[in-house]
Amino acid sequence: AQKITQTQPGMFVQEKEAVTLDCTYDTSDPSYGLFWYKQPSSGEMIFLIYQGSYDQQNATEGRYSLNFQKARKSANLVISASQLGDSAMYFCAMRDAAGGTSYGKLTFGQGTILTVHP
Amino acid sequence: DGGITQSPKYLFRKEGQNVTLSCEQNLNHDAMYWYRQDPGQGLRLIYYSQIVNDFQKGDIAEGYSVSREKKESFPLTVTSAQKNPTAFYLCASSQSPGQGYNEQFFGPGTRLTVL
Repeated sequence: AQKITQTQPGMFVQEKEAVTLDCTYDTSDPSYGLFWYKQPSSGEMIFLIYQGSYDQQNATEGRYSLNFQKARKSANLVISASQLGDSAMYFCAMRDAAGGTSYGKLTFGQGTILTVHP
Repeated sequence: DGGITQSPKYLFRKEGQNVTLSCEQNLNHDAMYWYRQDPGQGLRLIYYSQIVNDFQKGDIAEGYSVSREKKESFPLTVTSAQKNPTAFYLCASSQSPGQGYNEQFFGPGTRLTVL
C-alpha cells in the first residue's frame, strides 16, 4: 500500500524568506508520480508542481521547486521568496503506477499549514 | 472557460436523508474522482471513474454511491448509511489516469453538514 507522510503540522516563515515543507513516501512500485497542491482557506485545491519517479532533474515551477531524493523516498517542496499569499495548507500526494484497476488515483498526506509573517 | 463545477457550495441534510452532490467538468477528461476531507486532514478517495459507465470504489466508499452516465458528469450520493457524512467534498478530473504528468484538476468543493 502506498503511504505519504508529512511530519510538519504547521510551519512559520518570514516574508521573502525560503521555506521547505517535508514529504516522505512509501511505495514498492518503480513508476510513480509525486504532486504538491496548495489549499487556501477557500478550500479549492491548486496544483503546484509534479515530479515523476524517472525524472532525472528536480522539478521547478516559478518560486516552487521539488527536492527529490529517490533513495531516501523524500519529495520536499521548497518555496523561495515567500509571500503573504502563500499562507495556506500544502498537501503532498502520490499517484499509483500506471496499469491495473486503481491506477491514476492519488494518495494524500495529512498536510502542512504554512503561515507567512510580514 | 474550462473547469470543474460543483453544486451546491453548502448543503445541509437531516439525519436519515439521502443527498446528491453534483460535479460537472467541461475539460473533456476521461477520469473523475470524489474525495472527502475532514477538518485539518488530508483527502481520502471515495470513488473514481476512468471511463463512462464504469467506476471503482476508493478507500472509504461505504455509505456513498456514484454514477457515470455522461463523460462530463459524476454525481455523488451520500446515503443514510453513511454514519458521519459532515465533511468537505471535492471532485476532481484528469485527462488520462496514470499516464505521466496528468495532474488532477479540482472543483471548488461542497461543504455538507448533517443537522
